[in-house]
Amino acid sequence: SAVISQKPSRDICQRGTSLTIQCQVDSQVTMMFWYRQQPGQSLTLIATANQGSEATYESGFVIDKFPISRPNLTFSTLTVSNMSPEDSSIYLCSVLQGANTGELFFGEGSRLTVL
Amino acid sequence: GENVEQHPSTLSVQEGDSAVIKCTYSDSASNYFPWYKQELGKRPQLIIDIRSNVGEKKDQRIAVTLNKTAKHFSLHITETQPEDSAVYFCAAKRGFGNEKLTFGTGTRLTIIP
Repeated sequence: SAVISQKPSRDICQRGTSLTIQCQVDSQVTMMFWYRQQPGQSLTLIATANQGSEATYESGFVIDKFPISRPNLTFSTLTVSNMSPEDSSIYLCSVLQGANTGELFFGEGSRLTVL
Repeated sequence: GENVEQHPSTLSVQEGDSAVIKCTYSDSASNYFPWYKQELGKRPQLIIDIRSNVGEKKDQRIAVTLNKTAKHFSLHITETQPEDSAVYFCAAKRGFGNEKLTFGTGTRLTIIP
C-alpha cells in the first residue's frame, strides 16, 4: 500500500485565518485527490490535483477558497483560506492504489476546528 | 453527475447476526463499486469492491452483490463481531483510473455484544 503522510493531523484555527495542509506520498502518482468530510458526514471531493497544471475543482469549491499546489509527483498542498466555523472538517488527501485498480487510498486526514 | 444513495443511515445488529447495507446509483455508466469502512477517528479503508462484469463477490464474512439493471448494490456482513462496528460508505464511479469517486451518505453500524 502507498504511504501517505498528512500534516497537520489536527489544528485549531481562528476565524479569518488560512491554513495549509501538506500531503506527501512515498511513490510517484499522477493525480492526488482532496476530500472534505464534515462532522458526521460523507466524503466530498474538493478537487483533483494534477502535477504541472491547475487543479480541477468540483462544483461548489473554488480556487480562491481552496488553493492547491502540486509541485511534483509525490507532494501536494491544500490551503483553506479565510476560514469560518463552517470549514471545520476533516480534510483527506488520497491517491489511487495502483493503475487500473480503482482503489482509492486515503491519508490519515487533517482535522481542522475553526473557532 | 453520479448520485449515490445509501440506506439505512444507522443499523444496530446483535453480535453474530447478519447486517445488510444497500446503495443505489444513478449513472448507468458506472462500473466500479467499492465499499469503505471508517472506524472512529481513522481514515476510510477499502474492504471490498466489485466491478460491473460480476454479480457477486465474497471475502470471508463480507460479500457484495450488484444488480446492474436496477442500479443497486449491497454489502452483506455475516456473523458480525464487535470490531465490525464502524461507519460504512458505498461509492461508485466510471472506470478504474482517475475518474471521480462518488460516495454514499454512510451507514453507522453498531454491533451489540
